[in-house]
Amino acid sequence: GAVVSQHPSWVICKSGTSVKIECRSLDFQATTMFWYRQFPKQSLMLMATSNEGSKATYEQGVEKDKFLINHASLTLSTLTVTSAHPEDSSFYICSAPPLPGLELSEQFFGPGTRLTVL
Amino acid sequence: AQTVTQSQPEMSVQEAETVTLSCTYDTSENNYYLFWYKQPPSRQMILVIRQEAYKQQNATENRFSVNFQKAAKSFSLKISDSQLGDTAMYFCAFMKHGAGYALNFGKGTSLLVTP
Repeated sequence: GAVVSQHPSWVICKSGTSVKIECRSLDFQATTMFWYRQFPKQSLMLMATSNEGSKATYEQGVEKDKFLINHASLTLSTLTVTSAHPEDSSFYICSAPPLPGLELSEQFFGPGTRLTVL
Repeated sequence: AQTVTQSQPEMSVQEAETVTLSCTYDTSENNYYLFWYKQPPSRQMILVIRQEAYKQQNATENRFSVNFQKAAKSFSLKISDSQLGDTAMYFCAFMKHGAGYALNFGKGTSLLVTP
C-alpha cells in the first residue's frame, strides 16, 4: 500500500529556534497533505491543509506565521515550527487523503514526529 | 462544525472477551463517513473499520463490527474475542462528504486488554 514517511521521527530543540518536519509520499503523488497535532494522551487536532502549488489552509486558532507549511512538490510537504517554545512540544502527524472518489479508502498517515522544545 | 464525542477515556477487557467502545457525533450533514482508527504505542494510525452514512448495514471487519444508529448519531465499535494486540488508543472519526477528506477525531478511548 501507499506509504507516507516523516522526518525526523524525534527532534529536540532549544526554545527560540526553528524546526522543519518533512512529510513525503513515497510511492504516490499527493496534491494535498493534512497536518495534525497530538498532545500527550489527547486526540489529533487538524492544524492545516497543505496544497501543492498554493497556500496552505489553516484551521481556526492556528498561527500561520508560527507554523509555516510548504508543499513544494507532489511528494513533499514541510511544516516549520518557527521560534519554537516549550508549549509547541507535541506529536505532529501528516496524512495524505484517499484518492478522489475513494472516500472510504484508507488515509495514509505518516509515523509522526515527536517535537520536544527545551 | 462537527463534534465527535467518546465518553469512555479508558476501558479494560480480558482476553477473549467482547468490549464495546462508544462514539457519538453531532452534524447537520446527511452525507458523511465514519471511521474507527487504532493508535498502538508505536503511534502509527491504523484504520480499523469504516462506515458510509447512507448505508444502513453495519460494517464488519473480522472481529470488529460497528453499531451505526444514524438517527441517534451513534457509532459504537465492538471488538469480539479481544486479543492482547488490541491494546491501543481508539479514535472515532468523522469525515464530511466532498469537503476535502480531513478527519475530525474524538478524544479517544484507551483500551487495555489483559491476560
